[in-house]
Amino acid sequence: SQQGEEDPQALSIQEGENATMNCSYKTSINNLQWYRQNSGRGLVHLILIRSNEREKHSGRLRVTLDTSKKSSSLLITASRAADTASYFCATVPNSGYALNFGKGTSLLVTP
Amino acid sequence: ETGVTQTPRHLVMGMTNKKSLKCEQHLGHNAMYWYKQSAKKPLELMFVYNFKEQTENNSVPSRFSPECPNSSHLFLHLHTLQPEDSALYLCASSQPGGRGDTGELFFGEGSRLTVL
Repeated sequence: SQQGEEDPQALSIQEGENATMNCSYKTSINNLQWYRQNSGRGLVHLILIRSNEREKHSGRLRVTLDTSKKSSSLLITASRAADTASYFCATVPNSGYALNFGKGTSLLVTP
Repeated sequence: ETGVTQTPRHLVMGMTNKKSLKCEQHLGHNAMYWYKQSAKKPLELMFVYNFKEQTENNSVPSRFSPECPNSSHLFLHLHTLQPEDSALYLCASSQPGGRGDTGELFFGEGSRLTVL
């Protein structure tokens, strides 16, 4: 399967702390994407990193990609209660058109 | 507001009913997707349409029947469903990319389906 696998499954931190989530995948990719989902809502795209990029920033988000280890990490700095959500990584198989998602990391940020 | 609208947001149906889920996008995209999200499971890809043509069917049972009349609209027709089909059904759209190079997906808020 080309699905990304997120780790940890659940993460609980306090406001102001940093949150790190990891994703592993199985085969070659052109890009890897991270999404966020608030409970019962649709997914929202956060960031896309291409296979020739090693790091990308967007606001308080930092994503790294290590294609040799087939892994990616999402770092949220100075977390806020509003960051509470599930976070998913997604990859596209080289033979396909659609993103495959993992089970996600459930992040809880407490005030 | 993501530019992708799904209706209805909630649907309760019996196993013998026939209903449809609707998705409309106002983003000018030419690729549309149906995903199923069940509790404790990864999102499951169901169908992909590129320029109104179905390009992927992820071994979905025939009780789910997609329809894409144009690049802006996508339907999922439901009939004789089972209780285990209860889930959040998510529609998404994107600009079509080449194989293995799909870009950002824009999701609707989903249709929460309960099958009694």
